[in-house]
Amino acid sequence: KNEVEQSPQNLTAQEGEFITINCSYSVGISALHWLQQHPGGGIVSLFMLSSGKKKHGRLIATINIQEKHSSLHITASHPRDSAVYICAAPFTNTGNQFYFGTGTSLTVIP
Amino acid sequence: DTAVSQTPKYLVTQMGNDKSIKCEQNLGHDTMYWYKQDSKKFLKIMFSYNNKELIINETVPNRFSPKSPDKAHLNLHINSLELGDSAVYFCASSQDPGFMNTIYFGEGSWLTVV
Repeated sequence: KNEVEQSPQNLTAQEGEFITINCSYSVGISALHWLQQHPGGGIVSLFMLSSGKKKHGRLIATINIQEKHSSLHITASHPRDSAVYICAAPFTNTGNQFYFGTGTSLTVIP
Repeated sequence: DTAVSQTPKYLVTQMGNDKSIKCEQNLGHDTMYWYKQDSKKFLKIMFSYNNKELIINETVPNRFSPKSPDKAHLNLHINSLELGDSAVYFCASSQDPGFMNTIYFGEGSWLTVV
């Protein structure tokens, strides 16, 4: 069982749709990271958050530390949002070693 | 300028060979990492260095040896390559090992062992 679970694993959406990707984790953390991996393979850090909500353009990330859950939302999705989205969390009981979710592969169709 | 750069981007080599992947960051960060992404796209940490000192060493075969000549460089040397070593290897860096830091990733190095 993976310590960090993501859902859905694959997601296809029409351009303009509102998208939600979920991440849940099994042990205590102090912060969570959302990463984006482009089709070419490069990984970009989107958000790092420890509470509440953060917004960057059309991307919104929320976290509830007590419920051990985070969501990444994309408003007005666009084909260029097609990528793999990965959540990663440093577990406090392992000296902040990062554990990664299995990723959500998003395809946005024009 | 690329913040975290790794070379080579693609590497095809035969079983049993020894190869190295180099990584450099120009962000002035103290901490560097190596991650392995397997065929199922799952990322796992391999090593982490802080100021040239090893701080995370996951269960990785000792054929893998990281070397950090200075805090801007973290190279990965792999001896006696095996088919199962085929993967994408990502280098990354952060300001320090603290969990509140943004991690910056390199573009990845695609290793294929034949």
